[in-house]
Amino acid sequence: DAGVTQSPTHLIKTRGQQVTLRCSPKSGHDTVSWYQQALGQGPQFIFQYYEEEERQRGNFPDRFSGHQFPNYSSELNVNALLLGDSALYLCASSSQDRNTEAFFGQGTRLTVV
Amino acid sequence: AQSVTQPDIHITVSEGASLELRCNYSYGATPYLFWYVQSPGQGLQLLLKYFSGDTLVQGIKGFEAEFKRSQSSFNLRKPSVHWSDAAEYFCAVGALYGGATNKLIFGTGTLLAVQP
Repeated sequence: DAGVTQSPTHLIKTRGQQVTLRCSPKSGHDTVSWYQQALGQGPQFIFQYYEEEERQRGNFPDRFSGHQFPNYSSELNVNALLLGDSALYLCASSSQDRNTEAFFGQGTRLTVV
Repeated sequence: AQSVTQPDIHITVSEGASLELRCNYSYGATPYLFWYVQSPGQGLQLLLKYFSGDTLVQGIKGFEAEFKRSQSSFNLRKPSVHWSDAAEYFCAVGALYGGATNKLIFGTGTLLAVQP
């Protein structure tokens, strides 16, 4: 079982650019959530996807958007990058069919310069 | 407002000593509680969870936690700390939406250092 996989592991972008991060959920999971973890902070919920739709959203601007594909994998897109978007972005997967905790990937470290 | 408070930002313990990390939560619905551990630059690994039933839950690596509804607390304990336990520990609260874990609200974390 591969667990939750994220790509890339590290990324450096310039202010104003756009970035796409990718996540493959754990086998058997159909729900994907994204979190932003700034340095020295706990993770903050961005949004959650199920059945290719955004189900819940945290307090993040519209520059943050996502997508879920039929195979349950997901992308996080951030437009017009700001220096403050530098963080570790974590993907978590879980299942609607049974009570499960969220399993996290190793994250993508995004640095905006 | 929903929130998680971890009052201890940084704790240092000696190897072999006991450990207790504090967590208090504020949550309107029935809480589901979690402790995760994070090594530097890594993702989060689940240590243990409380969904219902026995309020003392056992986790991996010898950790346990006790849910106290009257105190809105979910403190993490370990009787004897090993040097490999040095990491950052996060308490989180959520709910079940459908069957899957709802959005998690995390505390700011407690950084554990272990001295020889």
